[in-house]
Amino acid sequence: AQSVAQPEDQVNVAEGNPLTVKCTYSVSGNPYLFWYVQYPNRGLQFLLKYITGDNLVKGSYGFEAEFNKSQTSFHLKKPSALVSDSALYFCAVRVPGYSSASKIIFGSGTRLSIRP
Amino acid sequence: NAGVTQTPKFRVLKTGQSMTLLCAQDMNHEYMYWYRQDPGMGLRLIHYSVGEGTTAKGEVPDGYNVSRLKKQNFLLGLESAAPSQTSVYFCASSPRLAGYTDTQYFGPGTRLTVL
Repeated sequence: AQSVAQPEDQVNVAEGNPLTVKCTYSVSGNPYLFWYVQYPNRGLQFLLKYITGDNLVKGSYGFEAEFNKSQTSFHLKKPSALVSDSALYFCAVRVPGYSSASKIIFGSGTRLSIRP
Repeated sequence: NAGVTQTPKFRVLKTGQSMTLLCAQDMNHEYMYWYRQDPGMGLRLIHYSVGEGTTAKGEVPDGYNVSRLKKQNFLLGLESAAPSQTSVYFCASSPRLAGYTDTQYFGPGTRLTVL
């Protein structure tokens, strides 16, 4: 079955330290991958996406993500965490080869907590 | 430019009651979506629309109906609410369908409780 996994429900990082939020996927073909962030009582906001090309994608607020085809991963990273980065992060994958919105699959989310 | 707006923000229903959630976007997007968000389950697609007058089922369509009479509006209806429909509902829109590679823009959500 095609799926997206975010193996950590919560990630805790001290401010100023690097952070990683993990995402792995299981789809056939070449997927399109996305990261979204959700702040409290708000809708999801787009951070970055990988469609094709350079495996390292840079996005909003200093975040970046690396597409690793061999490990089927798309981990979100930031070199130096800020308290304001504390939020819920969702990985999503668009399953290739389908002309249907139902083939956009979201992970279960990872809550990122940055302590001062 | 308000983006994607949702009405209402909160609602409490009794089992069996009906209601309609309204989503509006002012970005002239072709595609609109309704998701529900439940703890530990991410977002699940309920219904979506690829243009005015068209709708299609998503992953979890049962118990919901939708309509897209105007391009800018996408309505989600619950005919007979059940406690299992307690959730946070998000509307989203995106500018085009090809490959679904475009970013989705999300509304702020509607928190629905069914007693």
